[in-house]
Amino acid sequence: GAGVSQSPRYKVAKRGQDVALRCDPISGHVSLFWYQQALGQGPEFLTYFQNEAQLDKSGLPSDRFFAERPEGSVSTLKIQRTQQEDSAVYLCASSPRAARTPFSYEQYFGPGTRLTVT
Amino acid sequence: AQTVTQSQPEMSVQEAETVTLSCTYDTSESDYYLFWYKQPPSRQMILVIRQEAYKQQNATENRFSVNFQKAAKSFSLKISDSQLGDAAMYFCALTGANSKLTFGKGITLSVRP
Repeated sequence: GAGVSQSPRYKVAKRGQDVALRCDPISGHVSLFWYQQALGQGPEFLTYFQNEAQLDKSGLPSDRFFAERPEGSVSTLKIQRTQQEDSAVYLCASSPRAARTPFSYEQYFGPGTRLTVT
Repeated sequence: AQTVTQSQPEMSVQEAETVTLSCTYDTSESDYYLFWYKQPPSRQMILVIRQEAYKQQNATENRFSVNFQKAAKSFSLKISDSQLGDAAMYFCALTGANSKLTFGKGITLSVRP
């Protein structure tokens, strides 16, 4: 079956531009996570959705970062006025279960979007 | 807060030999899960093995096994009979009740033919 897909795979933005990164989770998956992976580092949590509700956005680094999942399926991570420190791989993961339920640790990752801000 | 520490940035192993990747962690939760993920150059994060903290028995998946020392908060990965396809970044990760993953910095594993 289809896995998690992300688009675009690569994005180059000039500093100050706005970007939108898309995540298509596995169909029917309740939970959706965004992570940011800087070069040579492990991924870091950004935000979590349960269906259309954004239940945790504690990892978003600034108010320039905004995420949405309006219909509980596709999610978009938007970064306004991009800065060089935003350059990273942005990973999306989905899970068939809601957080804090049994076996909710299962997360299926997409291939990521590599964002380069010049 | 949860932390995961991988102190070895790189390791190398001869094909067909065994290698152990180290990881230590810290968490205040009593119920948590530990993982090893593999990330090849394609960037796709692949789950290698999972350990439930409440289980005393170490998890195994074919050539991959873990040494889980709960009191020491240590979670190492052993890869037996290493293959060229095992070359990748390996991340140790931890999750608790909120299901969000905390990752270590990763280790680059190279396999010599």
